[in-house]
Amino acid sequence: NAGVMQNPRHLVRRRGQEARLRCSPMKGHSHVYWYRQLPEEGLKFMVYLQKENIIDESGMPKERFSAEFPKEGPSILRIQQVVRGDSAAYFCASSPPSSVEQYFGPGTRLTVT
Amino acid sequence: AQSVSQHNHHVILSEAASLELGCNYSYGGTVNLFWYVQYPGQHLQLLLKYFSGDPLVKGIKGFEAEFIKSKFSFNLRKPSVQWSDTAEYFCAVNRNNYGQNFVFGPGTRLSVLP
Repeated sequence: NAGVMQNPRHLVRRRGQEARLRCSPMKGHSHVYWYRQLPEEGLKFMVYLQKENIIDESGMPKERFSAEFPKEGPSILRIQQVVRGDSAAYFCASSPPSSVEQYFGPGTRLTVT
Repeated sequence: AQSVSQHNHHVILSEAASLELGCNYSYGGTVNLFWYVQYPGQHLQLLLKYFSGDPLVKGIKGFEAEFIKSKFSFNLRKPSVQWSDTAEYFCAVNRNNYGQNFVFGPGTRLSVLP
């Protein structure tokens, strides 16, 4: 039973490029969460999605960031026109329906040069 | 502002020393509480959780935590640490009826000297 999968594990982008981060939840989990961890800080909630629905995006920056969780395939966190301040580790977590317990993936470390 | 705080940024202990890491939150109402550990280069793993019932919860690897409602605290303890416990420890809070997202503390880095 595979855990939460994220890819790529490391991503380097130049300023102005787009970054796409993918997350495949655990089998049977229909809820996905994205968190961002800046250096020397804890994880900050970004967005909570269920299949084809954004449930809570209160932690998402208003511009350049978007997320989706389509009916088929992984959840995608998309960052357009990246800036150096976007450099961070982005973690995805998933949970089954009716559970608050979240299981985390290994993260994607984004570096913007 | 409502938040989760962890008292220590970096704790250094010798092997076999006892450990207590503080966690306080500032939310009213019912909460679910978690401690996660992040070993170097790895993802977060759940150490233990509290939903309701006995306020003293036991987790994996000999860790335990005590929920003290009156103090809004959920401190993590281990009687005797090992070098392999070197990691970053995060406290997290989920507020019932306020959505599913977690609010994490800033983390405490634990270094255990052999």
